[in-house]
Amino acid sequence: RKEVEQDPGPFNVPEGATVAFNCTYSNSASQSFFWYRQDCRKEPKLLMSVYSSGNEDGRFTAQLNRASQYISLLIRDSKLSDSATYLCAVWGNTDKLIFGTGTRLQVFP
Amino acid sequence: SQTIHQWPATLVQPVGSPLSLECTVEGTSNPNLYWYRQAAGRGLQLLFYSVGIGQISSEVPQNLSASRPQDRQFILSSKKLLLSDSGFYLCAWSRGTLGEQYFGPGTRLTVT
Repeated sequence: RKEVEQDPGPFNVPEGATVAFNCTYSNSASQSFFWYRQDCRKEPKLLMSVYSSGNEDGRFTAQLNRASQYISLLIRDSKLSDSATYLCAVWGNTDKLIFGTGTRLQVFP
Repeated sequence: SQTIHQWPATLVQPVGSPLSLECTVEGTSNPNLYWYRQAAGRGLQLLFYSVGIGQISSEVPQNLSASRPQDRQFILSSKKLLLSDSGFYLCAWSRGTLGEQYFGPGTRLTVT
């Protein structure tokens, strides 16, 4: 089993739609969680950290479910500019941040 | 604010040639530094990381090496490139463990 798993997608959604991605992790001792956005041929950019209580930043909401070992990212009112690949990342109990392979989102007009 | 630089942005090298990619971080001290490779359409593969000057941890056995000659400088090298070394090389930094990692703009390497 991979340490961090994501559905590769693509998720094709119309503008204005709400879309959600999940990311599962295998190490129950994992302590920190993040979502990154990566545009084609660019570096990943930090979108948001994921806290135990959940957190929201504008149209984006991230949540952590420790019991089921997954994190989620919800995007409301999707924009064309949200089209990208979304990577989740998990710190285990090592010096390494483990990345998922990403979920591709395509928002169409 | 912190800034991370990588160069060159793109590189085309023949098989068997040497490689040197450089990464520098500004605006912070004693960062953790990381080298990743992302092959086309694939996930991020951690190659090396460093928690201090002269300290390098290698994640994947290969013909690449890394060095950290200064606190905020991280170098990725190879003596002889292979075709399979082609990819998008990303440097990242973090403030210790458990925190966010921030990526440089990357170097796109094509080995011909």
